[in-house]
Amino acid sequence: GNSVTQMEGPVTLSEEAFLTINCTYTATGYPSLFWYVQYPGEGLQLLLKATKADDKGSNKGFEATYRKETTSFHLEKGSVQVSDSAVYFCALSRAGGFKTIFGAGTRLFVKA
Amino acid sequence: SAVISQKPSRDICQRGTSLTIQCQVDSQVTMMFWYRQQPGQSLTLIATANQGSEATYESGFVIDKFPISRPNLTFSTLTVSNMSPEDSSIYLCSVIPDSTDTQYFGPGTRLTVL
Repeated sequence: GNSVTQMEGPVTLSEEAFLTINCTYTATGYPSLFWYVQYPGEGLQLLLKATKADDKGSNKGFEATYRKETTSFHLEKGSVQVSDSAVYFCALSRAGGFKTIFGAGTRLFVKA
Repeated sequence: SAVISQKPSRDICQRGTSLTIQCQVDSQVTMMFWYRQQPGQSLTLIATANQGSEATYESGFVIDKFPISRPNLTFSTLTVSNMSPEDSSIYLCSVIPDSTDTQYFGPGTRLTVL
């Protein structure tokens, strides 16, 4: 079946630290992979996506590379800010009526 | 992409009452979903709202408790019936635009049941 596993939180970092949030998946076929972000009191926003192996999604300084050989899509940012404090969800999906599969979410706290 | 609005944004309700949440999308979409997010938890899919037919509910959710309407391709409502404090959650409307694989979410409705 299809599933997404991401590292448990919370993750607490100091401002300007390097961030990695691990995400691995199992899937049949070739899904697209996503990271969503949920800021406090808000809905989920699409942060970045990648549609095929070796694609790199990037946005707002965040990056993730679609690694088919390790079935991973780890989220990275070189220097986090307090404003990056949020919950991050890894997900997979594909077009054509497929329901998106979400990971459990990882809460990030960034201290000034 | 898709822009989704929800009303109300938040509400505080008494036990035993019902609340209807509205979801409006800025374009016609076939696939529309309702999720629940309990405090500090991930998303739980309640149902897929089907235009012109009954919603498809996930395991653990029933139509009597969460009736859904989908009168057209841009609008849906979710009712939380006979509420109890355990229904206190954020309720999220979401769509996948036709012929894409990307899901978009509304801002959510934060429900507190006393």
